[in-house]
Amino acid sequence: AQSVTQLGSHVSVSEGALVLLRCNYSSSVPPYLFWYVQYPNQGLQLLLKYTSAATLVKGINGFEAEFKKSETSFHLTKPSAHMSDAAEYFCAVSGSGNTPLVFGKGTRLSVIA
Amino acid sequence: DAGVIQSPRHEVTEMGQEVTLRCKPISGHNSLFWYRQTMMRGLELLIYFNNNVPIDDSGMPEDRFSAKMPNASFSTLKIQPSEPRDSAVYFCASNPDSPGANYGYTFGSGTRLTVV
Repeated sequence: AQSVTQLGSHVSVSEGALVLLRCNYSSSVPPYLFWYVQYPNQGLQLLLKYTSAATLVKGINGFEAEFKKSETSFHLTKPSAHMSDAAEYFCAVSGSGNTPLVFGKGTRLSVIA
Repeated sequence: DAGVIQSPRHEVTEMGQEVTLRCKPISGHNSLFWYRQTMMRGLELLIYFNNNVPIDDSGMPEDRFSAKMPNASFSTLKIQPSEPRDSAVYFCASNPDSPGANYGYTFGSGTRLTVV
């Protein structure tokens, strides 16, 4: 069975500072991993995904994530936070066949001016 | 591509009334998912379909909840009778292939349900 754990339900950073949102996964098969972003009053939007090609994945809005099998991690980073990055971020791991994505509980990112 | 379309965006209803939420997936997508999001419980998967067939409804909280997918372009989630604890944002999502395929789901904008 697959699962993801997001460390920290709320992360606060200053504008211009590094953003680091943590995600650890557990999977019985080689995983596909995803990060989604949810802005207030909107649906979830795919930010980036890892599908066993490059371990460093670049997404939209300057975000990237690195797949580290030895650490079972897929942390999301952005070098310099912008006010518009304030949102909820969800990590997810795929199933296989008819097994759906499993989402983490989410991390709310606040950006302080 | 209009994306996943949900209606209505907001619904306010009285306890005991029937509520029907609607979803139009992206054309050609084979899998459809219904999620519920609340502050207390986060994002919960209620039910999902593959090729219009319900695969797993174990996330449906009670018999008051039912979902249908009569064709590839339409799905409904019905609550009858509604209760205040059903107040939440309900999301529909679709996927081009099987539920576990690695494309990443496309979510609708959600329906905010308030039961008073």
